[in-house]
Amino acid sequence: DTGVSQNPRHKITKRGQNVTFRCDPISEHNRLYWYRQTLGQGPEFLTYFQNEAQLEKSRLLSDRFSAERPKGSFSTLEIQRTEQGDSAMYLCASSSGQGANTGELFFGEGSRLTVL
Amino acid sequence: AQSVAQPEDQVNVAEGNPLTVKCTYSVSGNPYLFWYVQYPNRGLQFLLKYITGDNLVKGSYGFEAEFNKSQTSFHLKKPSALVSDSALYFCAVRPFSTLGRLYFGRGTQLTVWP
Repeated sequence: DTGVSQNPRHKITKRGQNVTFRCDPISEHNRLYWYRQTLGQGPEFLTYFQNEAQLEKSRLLSDRFSAERPKGSFSTLEIQRTEQGDSAMYLCASSSGQGANTGELFFGEGSRLTVL
Repeated sequence: AQSVAQPEDQVNVAEGNPLTVKCTYSVSGNPYLFWYVQYPNRGLQFLLKYITGDNLVKGSYGFEAEFNKSQTSFHLKKPSALVSDSALYFCAVRPFSTLGRLYFGRGTQLTVWP
């Protein structure tokens, strides 16, 4: 399968612990996005990378959240000192240059975080 | 502020009947408009887009959408629904000024019964 891959698919953690999610985009895509989706809501933008550069961050991305894309390929999203409000589905998407200009994103299946 | 509204949480339709899933938006400048579909335990999938030109755009699986600038709407339509169309549908808007960030609606659950 050559689609967007996210790991782990489900993470259960205790409040205060750190968690990290990984996203492997489609190999030829240079743009990568993180979104968060809670039950009954549409995806909310978190951050966007073009190659290794983080070009945009949402105000939703508090200082406990950090995202990296060190070599312009895979990306990680780390949440420090998790809170129950962080429980959500974290979605990764990627696109080519043309796709990003027109919003055609390819999404992974998501990583579900449950904070107890 | 940019926003997308999907006024119906659920739409139910009989197979073979036409379907409409509604979407209205508020965005500064000219928008790019999209529909995505989410099947159970699957990632969001791109369905169709409006960038410019003809107000009626056609997409995957026989879906189409009509852009109405005066009403700021972008309703999703299909002439004849299939049971397999049952899924969660999201409308999204990308303001012209952004780098690719999409604003999504809350989603509409479409159920097509046999």
